[in-house]
Amino acid sequence: ETGVTQSPTHLIKTRGQQVTLRCSSQSGHNTVSWYQQALGQGPQFIFQYYREEENGRGNFPPRFSGLQFPNYSSELNVNALELDDSALYLCASSLRTGVNEQFFGPGTRLTVL
Amino acid sequence: QKEVEQDPGPLSVPEGAIVSLNCTYSNSAFQYFMWYRQYSRKGPELLMYTYSSGNKEDGRFTAQVDKSSKYISLFIRDSQPSDSATYLCAMRTGANSKLTFGKGITLSVRP
Repeated sequence: ETGVTQSPTHLIKTRGQQVTLRCSSQSGHNTVSWYQQALGQGPQFIFQYYREEENGRGNFPPRFSGLQFPNYSSELNVNALELDDSALYLCASSLRTGVNEQFFGPGTRLTVL
Repeated sequence: QKEVEQDPGPLSVPEGAIVSLNCTYSNSAFQYFMWYRQYSRKGPELLMYTYSSGNKEDGRFTAQVDKSSKYISLFIRDSQPSDSATYLCAMRTGANSKLTFGKGITLSVRP
């Protein structure tokens, strides 16, 4: 059991809507990274938050945004949903940035119709 | 060309077999190399990581990195049905925590 939790487990939205996904990091971990995993693909890095600041971003448009809270939990927000946004969204927490032991949550499966 | 390429699957082996899983990469700045296991409908689970070239062993698992060839491998000895999962290689530079993953390969170990 990694200790990283994500909610909701599944979500169905329609094109153009907005969605918020949530992640609670493992106790003591102050760094959270978000990944998108399309079916049959490896996870792709969206962005990382360290001490409530964005600390690196992958090749995702600005309609993907995030927040980290003082308790190190995090949110991923996606605006103007597109069909291609259908994927498993994973968050991973670690003790600090630049470490190899990142612990993943079970993910939120988002379906965009 | 993708930064990380992983051998296509799926792969099916009998119980007890030695399994070899491989990835190649193009970015010479990668310094840290990881192997994750992902069961169906679960998040990836870190199996092991290595720094730079060399071997690292953990029980039935051995990770091997050859930076000169930009090639990494994971060997599983005495494979078990419980090893049936998708295996993902991942790597990062020393600059940040961003992981770049391979596509993953699905392994099935037949009893």
